[in-house]
Amino acid sequence: DGGITQSPKYLFRKEGQNVTLSCEQNLNHDAMYWYRQDPGQGLRLIYYSQIVNDFQKGDIAEGYSVSREKKESFPLTVTSAQKNPTAFYLCASSFRGPNTGELFFGEGSRLTVL
Amino acid sequence: SQQGEEDPQALSIQEGENATMNCSYKTSINNLQWYRQNSGRGLVHLILIRSNEREKHSGRLRVTLDTSKKSSSLLITASRAADTASYFCATVNTGNQFYFGTGTSLTVIP
Repeated sequence: DGGITQSPKYLFRKEGQNVTLSCEQNLNHDAMYWYRQDPGQGLRLIYYSQIVNDFQKGDIAEGYSVSREKKESFPLTVTSAQKNPTAFYLCASSFRGPNTGELFFGEGSRLTVL
Repeated sequence: SQQGEEDPQALSIQEGENATMNCSYKTSINNLQWYRQNSGRGLVHLILIRSNEREKHSGRLRVTLDTSKKSSSLLITASRAADTASYFCATVNTGNQFYFGTGTSLTVIP
């Protein structure tokens, strides 16, 4: 089945540790996105990538890093520099280009810092 | 911030009633989309309306767009308990950037 897969679904981290969240899609989409969602809040854009080997910072990129070495994969690393990393992280993808269609979302990864 | 705002933040209705939620935004858009999120899950796309359209229907959903007022509304008719979820609007600019609103939490009481 075509779709977007995030892993792990739940992750616990000690303060000072880096963690990497996986996002894989088999929809042949060019664009991929990472969003952060806090309780009762909307989605805030962390990073996005319109094409392989290129990505741009979103509104809240500090303390996060990404890579886009393959079209199918867009992993997000939450570094120890992120002051408040406990949140629900959502990955999405879409076709690139003007007048684009919808975003397809994964099921999310919930990160808890102990 | 380019984030939009939904109104109301929370809405509780009886099954069979209609639910209306509104979205306001700040910048020029290419299109506006509505998404649904069940608790603890990813978002699911519901409907897209382009900047040159004023109204669009899909099943029990009706979306309107007023670009002069920078606002949109989502109407769900004949609501069901299964419609209970959070609903988000997302604006898309010409740079293919998506900006989400703060969401409306809808509860449909059986």
